[in-house]
Amino acid sequence: DAGITQSPRHKVTETGTPVTLRCHQTENHRYMYWYRQDPGHGLRLIHYSYGVKDTDKGEVSDGYSVSRSKTEDFLLTLESATSSQTSVYFCAISEDKAGLAGGGEQFFGPGTRLTVL
Amino acid sequence: DQQVKQNSPSLSVQEGRISILNCDYTNSMFDYFLWYKKYPAEGPTFLISISSIKDKNEDGRFTVFLNKSAKHLSLHIVPSQPGDSAVYFCAASVNNAGNMLTFGGGTRLMVKP
Repeated sequence: DAGITQSPRHKVTETGTPVTLRCHQTENHRYMYWYRQDPGHGLRLIHYSYGVKDTDKGEVSDGYSVSRSKTEDFLLTLESATSSQTSVYFCAISEDKAGLAGGGEQFFGPGTRLTVL
Repeated sequence: DQQVKQNSPSLSVQEGRISILNCDYTNSMFDYFLWYKKYPAEGPTFLISISSIKDKNEDGRFTVFLNKSAKHLSLHIVPSQPGDSAVYFCAASVNNAGNMLTFGGGTRLMVKP
């Protein structure tokens, strides 16, 4: 199994409070991603990183920010949590893309269940 | 507008039979396709993939078929086992887009003993 951990695994918070989720990898992979999973929507990309201090927005980035100061850590911050951000959040990692021969697989962490009341 | 769709939210099959999970996509730029399996309270795990230069890829009991003209892929599981009961996600990517994946909504497979 790829070495990916997420913390916390569960969190309950109140509307308007800031929340930071942490993803830590031991694989030295270049790419890191944050997704949210909601019923009927599969997994939707929030933000991703292609290197230290290099990040970009995904499909559902509004209300979220990220930071990557070290290869192994990727933080997701909800500046002011809202009830619509109640979800399960997954971090994923992947190596440099290997082209059409394969290698584009992402490996996922165990997830963080966030509830915003 | 969902670019990757799994139109069947659930599927039930008998142990030993074939399970066929379907996925459709709309973006003709997608050139790499993957299937992930997810158990409750765990992260998705990679199952099998196929690139657009192929129309079939096989790994043990799992085979993925790609029909580019129909923008359709399918995952066949033969024979199905109770341990295959999980949610299956298909995903697609564009070769030069930073490994970003676009996921379908998932299909819950239940294999009955």
